[in-house]
Amino acid sequence: ILNVEQSPQSLHVQEGDSTNFTCSFPSSNFYALHWYRWETAKSPEALFVMTLNGDEKKKGRISATLNTKEGYSYLYIKGSQPEDSATYLCASRNDYKLSFGAGTTVTVRA
Amino acid sequence: DVKVTQSSRYLVKRTGEKVFLECVQDMDHENMFWYRQDPGLGLRLIYFSYDVKMKEKGDIPEGYSVSREKKERFSLILESASTNQTSMYLCASWGGRAHEQYFGPGTRLTVT
Repeated sequence: ILNVEQSPQSLHVQEGDSTNFTCSFPSSNFYALHWYRWETAKSPEALFVMTLNGDEKKKGRISATLNTKEGYSYLYIKGSQPEDSATYLCASRNDYKLSFGAGTTVTVRA
Repeated sequence: DVKVTQSSRYLVKRTGEKVFLECVQDMDHENMFWYRQDPGLGLRLIYFSYDVKMKEKGDIPEGYSVSREKKERFSLILESASTNQTSMYLCASWGGRAHEQYFGPGTRLTVT
């Protein structure tokens, strides 16, 4: 089991504000880092898969960075909107298995 | 679009009952997974299968078994349900050229 941690566990952000949160993972034997968004009553949806140190990925107002040497990834939401409210999961990949963090639940207040 | 479906969104069972959770994927993926998700904990892997009739224990297999008779279908079995198996259960599949796991919508199981 890979020890993947996410912080904070939850956060509230005002509509229009930007926010970010962290995923930390073991840096040894690193293969890939996955981010998923899980909205209530829906399936978790893949956001990003990152493999290289220094990787940055972007999808609309959401972006992520990766530091494999120190074992962390940040996910940023720029100009938060109510539809960004969800639980964001990160997972470290080992072969074809994923070890997930507990998630960061984001609530965007209108 | 990959589609992973699960047989029930909500299920209520009694302690001691045998429970079947079904998962079907339509993308011919080799690998299929069963997770459970509990508050404050990440998705924890129960079992996975990398081919028909093949299975491997995940991190928390106790109290569960699985069946994969056809490539598209992966079943999770609770032989004798207990209250500590009350949880959200998620199925996922992965294979071919996909870069990530695709998840079903989840089954919220309550054991009373």
